[in-house]
Amino acid sequence: DTAVSQTPKYLVTQMGNDKSIKCEQNLGHDTMYWYKQDSKKFLKIMFSYNNKELIINETVPNRFSPKSPDKAHLNLHINSLELGDSAVYFCASSPREVRDTGELFFGEGSRLTVL
Amino acid sequence: AQSVTQLDSQVPVFEEAPVELRCNYSSSVSVYLFWYVQYPNQGLQLLLKYLSGSTLVKGINGFEAEFNKSQTSFHLRKPSVHISDTAEYFCAVVLSGGYQKVTFGIGTKLQVIP
Repeated sequence: DTAVSQTPKYLVTQMGNDKSIKCEQNLGHDTMYWYKQDSKKFLKIMFSYNNKELIINETVPNRFSPKSPDKAHLNLHINSLELGDSAVYFCASSPREVRDTGELFFGEGSRLTVL
Repeated sequence: AQSVTQLDSQVPVFEEAPVELRCNYSSSVSVYLFWYVQYPNQGLQLLLKYLSGSTLVKGINGFEAEFNKSQTSFHLRKPSVHISDTAEYFCAVVLSGGYQKVTFGIGTKLQVIP
């Protein structure tokens, strides 16, 4: 059983399209995250939700909209895709505050390529 | 705000040789420190963490790291590397107290040479 699962794993699309990436965790964690990893492997947080409430919202274009229907799911919708959105997007989860265990549990990533 | 500096983008090392991957952080308050490993085409997984207590932390796969507050460092070491250790290694920091985001370094690619 995969603890943090993301779909799709690969996504190739044209500029201007709208796409979504879904994430589900079966660990019972309260907090979920979206991270973006660029071509140089730099990993940067985008959003964090705790029990469906947005708690971290970094400087991300408003074309990116996270949605958390329940605490086990955190989806990422991207409107009007641009070339610079090409990256690997990682979903992660953690129990309550990160500091309690110090561990983020990552999904395998969703590689988005915008042509 | 906290930040993390990984001083080496790539570290080539022969199999069975020792390795040290360097990490320095900056923060005006107490921090928690982590090392994560990313194997090709996979997500990150935790190697080890420092929250408090002993400054020498042991993790999985024979790795260890030492927290040095005076030098604001958290270097990762392994006495003898294996081919399977070839991966990207990320140092990360979290401010202690409250909900805080994890800030990652830019990563160090460890290339183990047979």
